[in-house]
Amino acid sequence: QVVLTQSPSVSASLGASVKLTCTLSSGHSSYAIAWHQQRPKKGPRYLMKLHTGGGHTKGDGIPDRFSGSRSGAECYLTISSLQSEDEADYYCQTWGAGNYVVFGGGTKLTVL
Amino acid sequence: EVQLVEFGGGVVQPGGSLRLSCAASGFTFSNSAMSWVRQAPGKGLEWVSGISKSGDMTDNADSVRGRFTISRDNANSTLFLQMSSLRVEDTAVYYCAKEVYPNHYFDSWGQGILVTVSS
Repeated sequence: QVVLTQSPSVSASLGASVKLTCTLSSGHSSYAIAWHQQRPKKGPRYLMKLHTGGGHTKGDGIPDRFSGSRSGAECYLTISSLQSEDEADYYCQTWGAGNYVVFGGGTKLTVL
Repeated sequence: EVQLVEFGGGVVQPGGSLRLSCAASGFTFSNSAMSWVRQAPGKGLEWVSGISKSGDMTDNADSVRGRFTISRDNANSTLFLQMSSLRVEDTAVYYCAKEVYPNHYFDSWGQGILVTVSS
């Protein structure tokens, strides 16, 4: 059973950059993942798929400020030039090998 | 533009039943696997049920297996979730989500519908 681990919260200043982490459990480091954003009181929004090889495919209309990368079992979502509208919960998600869909616990991003 | 709109939420007593619907538009519904994902108050996202493009294959989370049934009507671009033997812990906002074939990740989400199980 694959498990995704995310830090519960992170804060960063307006205009700065922030890197959110999603860690895949042992034995599952090569899985692809997806990142989703959920603003307060809103439904989730697909940001991007992070491929096994490290590239990413973004959803329609997702700004260039959002990018994805990975290193081993760690997958990253980097948001540059932080704006107030980026304050949200961010979830990583994976699938496969007996797991239809698995979500991480989510990271709450506060923009100071 | 892809649109997913959920209907059918509300308040139901423990042990009761409810049927959710999700009306899809803006894409070829019959070409997409679909899922239901829920979010209990103040909690994270939890996948509930998934269904293949044709509807011949389904899967459910252990927490709802035997109580919830996912189905679809491709002629009318509608996804359903029949929920029975509802429990207080099923209280959540339920989202309809479009999967990206052949993977099980979601590139479109509905706005969500609240289901409250309470006596």
